[in-house]
Amino acid sequence: DADVTQTPRNRITKTGKRIMLECSQTKGHDRMYWYRQDPGLGLQLIYYSFDVKDINKGEISDGYSVSRQAQAKFSLSLESAIPNQTALYFCATSASIKGTASSNQPQHFGDGTRLSIL
Amino acid sequence: GENVEQHPSTLSVQEGDSAVIKCTYSDSASNYFPWYKQELGKGPQLIIDIRSNVGEKKDQRIAVTLNKTAKHFSLHITETQPEDSAVYFCAASINNYGQNFVFGPGTRLSVLP
Repeated sequence: DADVTQTPRNRITKTGKRIMLECSQTKGHDRMYWYRQDPGLGLQLIYYSFDVKDINKGEISDGYSVSRQAQAKFSLSLESAIPNQTALYFCATSASIKGTASSNQPQHFGDGTRLSIL
Repeated sequence: GENVEQHPSTLSVQEGDSAVIKCTYSDSASNYFPWYKQELGKGPQLIIDIRSNVGEKKDQRIAVTLNKTAKHFSLHITETQPEDSAVYFCAASINNYGQNFVFGPGTRLSVLP
């Protein structure tokens, strides 16, 4: 989905390095998410944000941190990368419906960042 | 918490045949069920979704059915074409403020010409 852009698309780095993955969107959505994808495990939620300055942990947040700098930008950081963080990382966005905070809306994904940690 | 299982993990069909992928979920409070298609090198793309107040939804060659009593939902693709080859993911979401989806592990569909 060209409306959700992830950079870089590929990254190879060494154990112990700090890494930042960037996500920007032009969909105007207020909700943003970071997922990790491992073969055979589907997508696992790392962090999510419903607005600027709103940060929430997902099911696998240990070893990761995020920053929501603006409505359109959501970055994921690995402070000290380790080999088992090698995976495909996806950013996603979704809209919220005013007055119906509990109504689910589909998520729209970027094309991912393939991260390899040696 | 919610757990979503998906079967089969791989599926091969002849072009023109139908393909069916099934998912089960554990939390009866889940009420939104999207299906995503992921092609190589791309992110998941929403192809169809269904809410719990509906039993079936169809969009051209794709349909989804939901059985709330049995807590399972299925994706049906008719008249399959080679471009349908991809990994398909189901998901379930509880209608709460968290809006967090739980995804199934995926099904790799291969449509053989």
